[in-house]
Amino acid sequence: GESVGLHLPTLSVQEGDNSIINCAYSNSASDYFIWYKQESGKGPQFIIDIRSNMDKRQGQRVTVLLNKTVKHLSLQIAATQPGDSAVYFCAENLSWGKLQFGAGTQVVVTP
Amino acid sequence: DTAVSQTPKYLVTQMGNDKSIKCEQNLGHDTMYWYKQDSKKFLKIMFSYNNKELIINETVPNRFSPKSPDKAHLNLHINSLELGDSAVYFCASSQEGPNTIYFGEGSWLTVV
Repeated sequence: GESVGLHLPTLSVQEGDNSIINCAYSNSASDYFIWYKQESGKGPQFIIDIRSNMDKRQGQRVTVLLNKTVKHLSLQIAATQPGDSAVYFCAENLSWGKLQFGAGTQVVVTP
Repeated sequence: DTAVSQTPKYLVTQMGNDKSIKCEQNLGHDTMYWYKQDSKKFLKIMFSYNNKELIINETVPNRFSPKSPDKAHLNLHINSLELGDSAVYFCASSQEGPNTIYFGEGSWLTVV
């Protein structure tokens, strides 16, 4: 659904710690999910994806977990770095190419 | 090389004007999109084209008209601009089917 908050949820993380960003999706029939990172002034950048026949997928420093029972997606970032500061979006594929984005989470990495 | 490129990056224009944003992708993808991001960072799909054919039109006012001269290009023309059209417009592309969608850097439109 559409975001109604005035401010993005913010996750403040100390450099070197692990980050966990959570996302609830809406459609139990969604078969494909993507996490994007958006830095200030730039377009969303692909991080990692997962298909509905999987419950976990790992990339470089990132892991996505999918819990279809409760329609929940999470992104774990290991050893968070200053360059990880950005807005993170989850997206679900509702139908052919139609991605529905979550509201976004602002990650702030502190020294 | 930029995969999805759109121009202009910034556009400031007066209410009532007509403007266009151009987009090109060099990824060889069959499907292209326009997304709109509002001031709250919410991203919403507007249009999708597959091989020059319109496949998604998300109840966007008909002042917005996408045009795809070939599968590597998808332009967005906006007539009679309104203040509420101020937003960031992202072009994107993907292979056919549920696949990763790659975004351009955005076009910041401000209507005054």
